[in-house]
Amino acid sequence: EVQLLESGGGLVQPGGSLRLSCAASGFTFSSYAMSWVRQAPGKGLEWVSAISGSGGSTYYADSVKGRFTISRDNSKNTLYLQMNSLRAEDTAVYYCAKALLWFRELSPFDIWGQGTMVTVSS
Amino acid sequence: DIQMTQSPSSLSASVGDRVTITCRASQGISNYLAWFQQKPGKAPKSLIYAASSLQSGVPSKFSGSGSGTDFTLTISSLQPEDFATYYCQQYNSYPLTFGPGTKVDIK
Repeated sequence: EVQLLESGGGLVQPGGSLRLSCAASGFTFSSYAMSWVRQAPGKGLEWVSAISGSGGSTYYADSVKGRFTISRDNSKNTLYLQMNSLRAEDTAVYYCAKALLWFRELSPFDIWGQGTMVTVSS
Repeated sequence: DIQMTQSPSSLSASVGDRVTITCRASQGISNYLAWFQQKPGKAPKSLIYAASSLQSGVPSKFSGSGSGTDFTLTISSLQPEDFATYYCQQYNSYPLTFGPGTKVDIK
């Protein structure tokens, strides 16, 4: 069974840092691009960042560019999101999502994790 | 960036109703359009990709159509488990963008 399990969320002060992880299982992790998508409380979905299967290509939303870094460790089947200089507006549930199509950097998602909550507040 | 809009923003419907949600892209995206369903407190669920292809395990009461800038999601006969918020998303180019959502609730 294909599964994604996020972890690493929590409460952090403005200006602080946090690293999210997404542990993948049930598929050949290195063959698929992965994304992070967030949802602020009571709001809609916002795509945050994506990374190719090899990790060689990365993409970011303007709202996080220069502050967040996406990476992956294909030997550990794990996706990461390093979040620095956090702001109140980064408060959200963060989901990881798997690309449906293998070896495609632009692909629809098929599987989503359950999400991890990040709260930025003093 | 490609902007996505949806209409209506919310609708009330009864069990058994046929429901149609519209999604519009600010520029042509061919058929690179996906639909998601989200229930309160839950992760989104992928329903449709390539505008009209059902994800594995999604019942055939869901259907999608469209190409270019205008798309629709139709639920043929609304059931209690279908009351949720529905989002469209384009994957034609980065940054990926979502529509604001359409909340479907019980009349």
